Amino acid sequence: SYVLTQPPSVSVAPGKTATITCGGDNIGSKSVHWYQQKPGQAPVLVVYDDNDRPSGIPERFSGSNSGNTATLTITRVEAGDEADYSCQVWESATDYVVFGGGTKLTVL
Amino acid sequence: QVQLQESGPGLVKPSETLSLTCTVSGVSINSHRHYWSWIRQPPGKGLEWIGYIYSSGTTYYNPSLKSRVAISIDTSKDQFSLKVSSVNAADTAVYYCSRVVGSTSSFELWGQGTLVTVSS
Repeated sequence: SYVLTQPPSVSVAPGKTATITCGGDNIGSKSVHWYQQKPGQAPVLVVYDDNDRPSGIPERFSGSNSGNTATLTITRVEAGDEADYSCQVWESATDYVVFGGGTKLTVL
Repeated sequence: QVQLQESGPGLVKPSETLSLTCTVSGVSINSHRHYWSWIRQPPGKGLEWIGYIYSSGTTYYNPSLKSRVAISIDTSKDQFSLKVSSVNAADTAVYYCSRVVGSTSSFELWGQGTLVTVSS
């Protein structure tokens, strides 16, 4: 089965740039989606199709995807960005949705 | 606006069947642009996709759960439902329902989630 690998945690100072990676075999050939989840809340889609943002998501959130790594980038990080972030793909070969294990973003 | 709301028992006994319903409001569930999904999250762990269903009734399931899971849809009530049979403690989780954008397979809207505990 297809596996997505994320670092368990990332820390960043306010105002700096956070980078969260999502590794998978030839993930660059797939569309990657990213979700933000704050404690006790449902996930929220923040990036879809590698680098598109749903309405209402700040431009500070962006994504990229190439080779074996997809990346979520958050610029000018704010305290309110502290959350768990998970990547997701649709594995078309087996009609199967895969989520990464999630990365806890801590704002120092 | 479009909202999804999960409902069902919060406590299920081991070996019994877990049953949840998701009620969709603000839009018809009979959409050709979207399909409808269940996802769960065990306490302190990551998200696990359970499966999804089209308004036509076509379903796709997580292979690891397929033998115990059934998702159905009632377009007349704008509801879709989940059944998980023969539950055990590992099925304890927050269960979310979600609307999926068909063109991207991204989960664009989520219910608030409901905690289901499997315990005697």
